[in-house]
Amino acid sequence: AQSVTQLDSQVPVFEEAPVELRCNYSSSVSVYLFWYVQYPNQGLQLLLKYLSGSTLVKGINGFEAEFNKSQTSFHLRKPSVHISDTAEYFCAVSSYGGSQGNLIFGKGTKLSVKP
Amino acid sequence: NAGVMQNPRHLVRRRGQEARLRCSPMKGHSHVYWYRQLPEEGLKFMVYLQKENIIDESGMPKERFSAEFPKEGPSILRIQQVVRGDSAAYFCASSSYGVGAYEQYFGPGTRLTVT
Repeated sequence: AQSVTQLDSQVPVFEEAPVELRCNYSSSVSVYLFWYVQYPNQGLQLLLKYLSGSTLVKGINGFEAEFNKSQTSFHLRKPSVHISDTAEYFCAVSSYGGSQGNLIFGKGTKLSVKP
Repeated sequence: NAGVMQNPRHLVRRRGQEARLRCSPMKGHSHVYWYRQLPEEGLKFMVYLQKENIIDESGMPKERFSAEFPKEGPSILRIQQVVRGDSAAYFCASSSYGVGAYEQYFGPGTRLTVT
């Protein structure tokens, strides 16, 4: 069975400050990893994904994440946030191989960027 | 290229009524996933369908819930005899691959309120 833990439910930060949103996963098989962003009353938009290869993944809107297999982590970072980054961020995992294609989500981290 | 479309965006039902949620996948996608988001929770997988086939329904409640993805037309998630606990946001996602962790594109969601 797989699970995802997002360690912080809320992260307040000032504009132009750096931010890190933490994500740890548990799985007995190799996984693909994703970060999604959800703006209020909207659907989820894919920020970035790790499938294989380089452990540092760059996504949209200046976000990046680093896959750390030994620590089973996939933390999301941005060096300088904007007010418009205020949203909820979800980490998700999926196994490859087998018959299931569904994503397992963490409970989300609400990022609040203050001026 | 239109994204994943869901309708209605908002649905209000009285207890005991039926709710029908529709999802049209992205053009070229033949795999559909339904997820439910309860307040303060991440998304929970419900069901994974291909055209005319249910691939994985391990996340579906045993009673009152059903899903289909016919050869023609949108995927339908049906909830019979709704109860207050069914109030949630229901998201549909589609992908061009079913097995493994391929990229899923999400619709804007249907927010169901049961009164």
